Amino acid sequence: SQTIHQWPATLVQPVGSPLSLECTVEGTSNPNLYWYRQAAGRGLQLLFYSVGIGQISSEVPQNLSASRPQDRQFILSSKKLLLSDSGFYLCAWVGSPSGNTIYFGEGSWLTVV
Amino acid sequence: AQSVTQLDSQVPVFEEAPVELRCNYSSSVSVYLFWYVQYPNQGLQLLLKYLSGSTLVKGINGFEAEFNKSQTSFHLRKPSVHISDTAEYFCAVTSSGGYQKVTFGTGTKLQVIP
Repeated sequence: SQTIHQWPATLVQPVGSPLSLECTVEGTSNPNLYWYRQAAGRGLQLLFYSVGIGQISSEVPQNLSASRPQDRQFILSSKKLLLSDSGFYLCAWVGSPSGNTIYFGEGSWLTVV
Repeated sequence: AQSVTQLDSQVPVFEEAPVELRCNYSSSVSVYLFWYVQYPNQGLQLLLKYLSGSTLVKGINGFEAEFNKSQTSFHLRKPSVHISDTAEYFCAVTSSGGYQKVTFGTGTKLQVIP
């Protein structure tokens, strides 16, 4: 079966510090991978998506970046965090055999202080 | 371009009463439609999905939704809610061909009152 792992689950970081959130998917190959952010009281905002290794598309210009060094690994990064980067970050994937359905990880809470 | 509108940000309902959470979408192409549930401090869990075929789809936890193409709606219903249904519900749409860019609504918080 397919599973998705996301870590760390909770993170408190000072303003200006770097960030690295990691996501890995098991049980599938060549998935489409996504990073979403869910700010308090707001819906889901698509940040990045990737259709393959090294292929990253950004939906919203911001202080964050993403990388896909391996087929089933997706990393969200920042060199210098801002207060506005606080939120709930969700990794997600679409791949065989689910076809057209997106599945989510458990999320990572980021608080920038 | 595609979009999803969830008109109700919060829906309070008494336990064992029926509930309907509304979702309308717009798209220039054929779509797939989804409902997800998010419990506090957790990720999103798939409730149900419409890909093709019967317009009435049944999901987990007793929920169902009906795809209405003419009204571009995909409302979620449950005949009798439980306290455990208290959560936030998201409607989502994706195009039926090519890369699956998923667009989510802003969510509806369902509060079940004892």
